[in-house]
Formats: sequence, C-alpha cells, structure tokens
Amino acid sequence: EAGVTQSPTHLIKTRGQQATLRCSPISGHTSVYWYQQALGLGLQFLLWYDEGEERNRGNFPPRFSGRQFPNYSSELNVNALELEDSALYLCASSPGSLLPSNQPQHFGDGTRLSIL
Amino acid sequence: AQTVTQSQPEMSVQEAETVTLSCTYDTSESDYYLFWYKQPPSRQMILVIRQEAYKQQNATENRFSVNFQKAAKSFSLKISDSQLGDAAMYFCAYRSYYQGGSEKLVFGKGTKLTVNP
Repeated sequence: EAGVTQSPTHLIKTRGQQATLRCSPISGHTSVYWYQQALGLGLQFLLWYDEGEERNRGNFPPRFSGRQFPNYSSELNVNALELEDSALYLCASSPGSLLPSNQPQHFGDGTRLSIL
Repeated sequence: AQTVTQSQPEMSVQEAETVTLSCTYDTSESDYYLFWYKQPPSRQMILVIRQEAYKQQNATENRFSVNFQKAAKSFSLKISDSQLGDAAMYFCAYRSYYQGGSEKLVFGKGTKLTVNP
C-alpha cells in the first residue's frame, strides 16, 4: 500500500512569489491535514480537509490556502511568500472524520520550502 | 486550547539501555487520544504508539510503552533495549475525541534522542 506522497521534495522561491505544494493521501483516506514545521516552532496545524471541504484552519494568515480534489488529493498554496514561511510542510491523511479519532494520521515525507 | 509540553529538548541513551521521554499536556476535555511520533533525519513522521484516554491500561508496542497518568496529565514514553535506529526526534501529540470538533493534532516541541553505541 502506497503511503502519503508529497511533491515536490524541495521548493526554492523568493519573497513575494507564490508556492504550490501537493499531497496524495493513502488510498481510501478522505481526510488530509497540513502542518508547518518551522525551525524552533515545532509542528503547527495549518489546514484540515475532509470530503472536499475545509473543516478547520490553524492560526495562519489568509495567504495560506488550499483545496481538496474529488480524488482526495490536496494542494497547499502560499501567496506573497515571506522569509518566515521557510519550513518543512508535512501532509498527513486519515480515514475520515466520520470515524472515531483514534485512527492515526499517517504522514508524508514533507516538502522543504526555502524562501530566499 | 490544548497544549503539549515536552520538557526535555535532548536526551541520550546507551545502546541496549532504557530511556524515558516525558510529556505533559493541558486540556479540559475528558475524552481524547495521545500519540508518540518519531521523526528520523529522513523527515517522515512515524507513529510509535497511541493511547486512548478512556483506557486505564497503558499501551505497549514491542519495546515501546507508555506511562499514562490521566489525573496528572502526563504521558511518558519508555524505550527499552534501545537500538541505534531509535535515534530521532520524538513528538508527543494530543487529539480531541471527535464529536464534531477539530481533528487536528497538537504537538509538543519534540525531544531529540541520541543513541550511543
């Protein structure tokens, strides 16, 4: 069974540009989560999508947005990039919000976003 | 809001010895889940063990076990017979029991575990 896949592995951008990160969940999983892992700040929850809808959002500005497609894959878009956006962005998936929360989230390898 | 605290930024252990990583959390909820994840240098977050708050019995997965103290809001991870492959960042995480609420994970800042040969 294929795990959560993320692309690209590494993305280099400059300030003010826009970045798009992609995530494919484990087959059968309908929930996708995005987390930011910035140096010294730990993992911070960004967004949660389930069945194509945004279910919850972390404390991030509106220039962080995303969507979930009918095949449950997801995109994270970051507009007007700032130096502080440099981080590892991790995507996770789980079977879905209709099931009990003891279903663990399975993570991908992440996308390293570097802002120059 | 829930918070998770890992008070040990770094720990080290000799190969084959036992080490315990600490985690405390703060919540007003009575039902929730707790997890330990491991992140080796390869970056992927790997689930190590999970605990349901309504279960009094401590979870165990091979060499990994937890000491869950609900009243004290403590959730420590014990690694027995440590192996070189256990070297990684370890994150403690909290998740609400789903009742129409958020399913996000709340993470601690992590403990870097070094295993010495």
